[in-house]
Amino acid sequence: GNSVTQMEGPVTLSEEAFLTINCTYTATGYPSLFWYVQYPGEGLQLLLKATKADDKGSNKGFEATYRKETTSFHLEKGSVQVSDSAVYFCANYNQGGKLIFGQGTELSVKP
Amino acid sequence: GAGVSQSPSNKVTEKGKDVELRCDPISGHTALYWYRQRLGQGLEFLIYFQGNSAPDKSGLPSDRFSAERTGESVSTLTIQRTQQEDSAVYLCASSLAMGETQYFGPGTRLLVL
Repeated sequence: GNSVTQMEGPVTLSEEAFLTINCTYTATGYPSLFWYVQYPGEGLQLLLKATKADDKGSNKGFEATYRKETTSFHLEKGSVQVSDSAVYFCANYNQGGKLIFGQGTELSVKP
Repeated sequence: GAGVSQSPSNKVTEKGKDVELRCDPISGHTALYWYRQRLGQGLEFLIYFQGNSAPDKSGLPSDRFSAERTGESVSTLTIQRTQQEDSAVYLCASSLAMGETQYFGPGTRLLVL
């Protein structure tokens, strides 16, 4: 079945630093890929998505590119802010319509 | 509606009691999903509905868990004879159709004492 592996946290960065959170997946076929974010005390929100190979999803300065050859969907941001502190989840769809989530990566941005 | 809503937001119960968790999906969304998030862990899929039918119940942790959906709208997740290991945040999501982007509710935080 499908699976998602993301880098372990917590990740601590200074404001304006470059962010990469690695995500790799296994899947049957080429499912849509997602990054969700969970801010402290809030629910899970869709951050960005990509539906086919080589697609780039982007939102709020974050980007991720669907790489079929490396089965990866790494999340990047050029300059993080304190307000980006949250837990980030990578996910893909399996054939049964279930979202398969990674374990989550906690990001803490210090001023 | 504006988004997925869930109630209650918090529930504290005693071991052995039954609990019901409610989810109101976004209006017009035909697919509805339940997940569980234990402290410090990722999200665990429980069950999904396409319309009022649940084609795959294999994600439910035990026969103490059941779920139903009526009117292609509200869904209820019931946990009977709760155990301490049931303590978690229970998240509901809905999507326009199967395979479309899922939108999550704020969750119900369940604590079993």
